[in-house]
Amino acid sequence: KAGVTQTPRYLIKTRGQQVTLSCSPISGHRSVSWYQQTPGQGLQFLFEYFSETQRNKGNFPGRFSGRQFSNSRSEMNVSTLELGDSALYLCASSFSGGSYEQYFGPGTRLTVT
Amino acid sequence: GEDVEQSLFLSVREGDSSVINCTYTDSSSTYLYWYKQEPGAGLQLLTYIFSNMDMKQDQRLTVLLNKKDKHLSLRIADTQTGDSAIYFCAHGGGRRALTFGSGTRLQVQP
Repeated sequence: KAGVTQTPRYLIKTRGQQVTLSCSPISGHRSVSWYQQTPGQGLQFLFEYFSETQRNKGNFPGRFSGRQFSNSRSEMNVSTLELGDSALYLCASSFSGGSYEQYFGPGTRLTVT
Repeated sequence: GEDVEQSLFLSVREGDSSVINCTYTDSSSTYLYWYKQEPGAGLQLLTYIFSNMDMKQDQRLTVLLNKKDKHLSLRIADTQTGDSAIYFCAHGGGRRALTFGSGTRLQVQP
């Protein structure tokens, strides 16, 4: 089975712009979770989608949003980018959802200048 | 609280055993995980243990759980240079998201 894929792998944006990141889960997995990884805050949970519904949400501002499509692919969007949004954004897929057996993609490295 | 604490750094010689420790505060966790992250890569799920277990062995990896002390450890036998990476302890359960520790950087010296 192919693993979790994320596109793009690297992205450079300017403050105030918006960005959309994409994640394709492992075939058959219905849950996609997003995490932000920074040197200062470590790994922090953004949100989880399961069968196209947001099932859980972390403590991030409303500028961070996501969605999931009927084929389980997910996108996350960050609007009005700030310098502090520079991070590695990781997507994880799971068959049953929640924290059980999450498999991670390689991440998208976002740099905001 | 949901804090997970790990030591920042561990250095071992190739062929020795490595033991990476983790403590957590959330006693309701159902699953406890170990992930490995190599430079420039995502997280690789190494192994996990259910909270009703004390020990799990998987090839060179041994996970020990002391639920009373909320202490989790990962032992890597015969550590190789390819094991050099950052190791994250994480816990979760039910529909809750994973809560990660800050990671332990393992350096394996030849």
